[in-house]
Amino acid sequence: KQEVTQIPAALSVPEGENLVLNCSFTDSAIYNLQWFRQDPGKGLTSLLLIQSSQREQTSGRLNASLDKSSGRSTLYIAASQPGDSATYLCAVRSSGSDYKLSFGAGTTVTVRA
Amino acid sequence: DAGITQSPRHKVTETGTPVTLRCHQTENHRYMYWYRQDPGHGLRLIHYSYGVKDTDKGEVSDGYSVSRSKTEDFLLTLESATSSQTSVYFCAIQRALHPEQYFGPGTRLTVT
Repeated sequence: KQEVTQIPAALSVPEGENLVLNCSFTDSAIYNLQWFRQDPGKGLTSLLLIQSSQREQTSGRLNASLDKSSGRSTLYIAASQPGDSATYLCAVRSSGSDYKLSFGAGTTVTVRA
Repeated sequence: DAGITQSPRHKVTETGTPVTLRCHQTENHRYMYWYRQDPGHGLRLIHYSYGVKDTDKGEVSDGYSVSRSKTEDFLLTLESATSSQTSVYFCAIQRALHPEQYFGPGTRLTVT
């Protein structure tokens, strides 16, 4: 069974600092890994998806890396802003899983103005 | 916007009553999923569907059933609600040939 872990559970940084969010998974046989953002009381918004054959994916200030052999992904958010305050979740689609996702519990980020 | 709606958005019910949550999509996607989200657990898969009348269990399916009689609707039923089923329920869809999964706005269910 795929286990996904996100550490730390919460993070508080001053505005302008770069954010580094970690995700680890136990089974390296994956199809892809997806990063989501969730605002309080809201649904999930997809931020980035990395295929298993990729090492990284970028979108604006966001960059996600994937090291499949070590079971790790990192989401970098450059020059953080108060609007980046949210919970960030990573989810892994394991090989042969019929598109099912295994989620981490998330990292709640607060960016202080 | 993946055209996913969930109803109701909020519900309070009593222990022992049946409850049905509805997920509706407008884009004719084959795969649909029901997850629950609880503090400290992230999202956990309850059931999913890979076509009309084709469903399968996820990791936390006990106490839940699903039905899909039309492509656009995926229903989740709590046969006899318990307090442990107090949670936020999310529906998701998977677009064919697209790797990303898209989520609905969620239903907050409280069982008293």
